[in-house]
Formats: sequence, C-alpha cells, structure tokens
Amino acid sequence: KNQVEQSPQSLIILEGKNCTLQCNYTVSPFSNLRWYKQDTGRGPVSLTIMTFSENTKSNGRYTATLDADTKQSSLHITASQLSDSASYICVVTPRGGSYIPTFGRGTSLIVHP
Amino acid sequence: NAGVTQTPKFQVLKTGQSMTLQCAQDMNHNSMYWYRQDPGMGLRLIYYSASEGTTDKGEVPNGYNVSRLNKREFSLRLESAAPSQTSVYFCASSEGSVTRYEQYFGPGTRLTVT
Repeated sequence: KNQVEQSPQSLIILEGKNCTLQCNYTVSPFSNLRWYKQDTGRGPVSLTIMTFSENTKSNGRYTATLDADTKQSSLHITASQLSDSASYICVVTPRGGSYIPTFGRGTSLIVHP
Repeated sequence: NAGVTQTPKFQVLKTGQSMTLQCAQDMNHNSMYWYRQDPGMGLRLIYYSASEGTTDKGEVPNGYNVSRLNKREFSLRLESAAPSQTSVYFCASSEGSVTRYEQYFGPGTRLTVT
C-alpha cells in the first residue's frame, strides 16, 4: 500500500527562525510530489509541486527538495512569520495505476512571537 | 473568481438521515473530487469525476454517491448517514489529471452524525 509519512508531527518555533519539515514516501513510480499549506478551518492551498525529475522548487520563503533515490522530500521555511502557523501536507501522486494521490497526515507548525 | 465553493459549511445529522453536499467551481475545470479529512489521518479520496459525464470511485466510496450535474457542479450524497461519516469534507477541482495539473480545494463542510 502506498504510504506518505511526515515528521515531525508538530513543531513550535519562534518568529524569524527557519525550520525544515520531512516527508518519506513509498509511492513508486510517482508522477509528482506536492506540498500544501492548510490553515485551521480552511482547505489546503498548494505551495510547491515537483515532478519525479526535479529536485528543488521554491515559492517565496518556501523551498521544497526531493530525493527520488531515497524517496524523501523536505520543505524548508525561511524567516518564519506568524502567518506560517498551519498544517503542512505532503502529497504524492502515483504514475500509472489509479492515479489517486496519497496524502500525508501533515505537520502542525506553530510560530510564536 | 470564487474558486471552489461548498455548501453547507456545517451540518449536524442524526443516524439514518440523508443529505447532499454541494460543490461548484468557476474555473472551467474538467476534473472534480470529493475528499474526507479525519483527525490524525491524511485526506482520502471518496469519488472523483475526470470529466463531465463520468464518475469513479476513490479509496473510500462506501456509503456515498455522487452526481456530476454539469461541468461546474459536483455533489456528494449520503443516503443513510452513520456516525463513522462524521468528518470534514473537501471538494476540489483541477484543469485535468492530477498527474499534470494543480488541485484547488474548497473551504470544507464539517459534518457531524449523531
């Protein structure tokens, strides 16, 4: 069964600090890996999308990396802001078969002033 | 553009009652999806519609039915609600297959079945 595991489950940091969230997956082969931000009470919003041939993608202060050999991805947040407090979800879509995306459980990030 | 809209925002049902969750998108997208999100779990696909006139089962279709009313609207029906269907339901849309195109999510419907 395809799996996407995220760590840590939750993280608390101070405003202005950097942090890195991890995603390990078993989906193979895959067509793309996405990171979403989900604010409390809202739907997920896309941050980055990478195909299997890409190894980095940036969106402002968010940078995602992908190592397809080790089946790992990370999301690095630079100079965190209070508005970064949210759940961050890793999603992997398989290539072939059902094409149904597998969602991770998310990492809950809290940024304190 | 409103993007993806969902109604209602909140709903409480008694076991055995039925209801329909509505979803509409104004981005002229071909594909639409229904997900559920439970505490401590990732989003799971219930049903999807790759294009107008087609629907397919996702990971957890039991207890649900869907209708792709037209290109804009995709509804999810619970015929006989059960407490296990207490969840947050998200509708999403994409221009085409998720293997190539981004998904855009609605704000969600919080459903409680007592």
